[in-house]
Amino acid sequence: AQSVSQHNHHVILSEAASLELGCNYSYGGTVNLFWYVQYPGQHLQLLLKYFSGDPLVKGIKGFEAEFIKSKFSFNLRKPSVQWSDTAEYFCAVKSIGAAGNKLTFGGGTRVLVKP
Amino acid sequence: GAGVSQSPRYKVAKRGQDVALRCDPISGHVSLFWYQQALGQGPEFLTYFQNEAQLDKSGLPSDRFFAERPEGSVSTLKIQRTQQEDSAVYLCASSLDSGSTYEQYFGPGTRLTVT
Repeated sequence: AQSVSQHNHHVILSEAASLELGCNYSYGGTVNLFWYVQYPGQHLQLLLKYFSGDPLVKGIKGFEAEFIKSKFSFNLRKPSVQWSDTAEYFCAVKSIGAAGNKLTFGGGTRVLVKP
Repeated sequence: GAGVSQSPRYKVAKRGQDVALRCDPISGHVSLFWYQQALGQGPEFLTYFQNEAQLDKSGLPSDRFFAERPEGSVSTLKIQRTQQEDSAVYLCASSLDSGSTYEQYFGPGTRLTVT
């Protein structure tokens, strides 16, 4: 069975600092990769996704993520965070060919950006 | 354009009671997913529908959990004889089709507390 691990449960940083959140998955086959974000009081929203092609993908709000197949990783980055980036971030994997294309999520990382 | 809606948003049940949670997917979306999110964890897959057919129920934790989507639109997740360990946020997601490249759109969730 596939699994997803996120290295940090909580991250606290100041505005303008750079952010990197780690995500590793275990699955030997072809996968689609996602980062979802949940802002306080809101529902899960897609931040970015990787299906194929360029392993460096850009999402909304200045976020990007890099897929490194050899490391089974899909780390999320943002060069300069804002207070409004305070949220919980979830990495998710979808294994291609699995019935229904269900998502397997990591445990999430709570990010607090101090003004 | 309305997103995925869920009702009720909050439900308190006494142990042993039955509960029913409703999900209204985005109009025209073929696929519908239910996830369970325990406190401090990422969402975990429960079950998947393609139209009215329940194609994967491998994530349902026990036979007390039952889901249906009789007309291929609205879905109901029913939990019989609720237990304290059922306390969680139940998330519904829908996608336009079942292919792997289709994004899942999440609803706000129903927070179930079993006392």
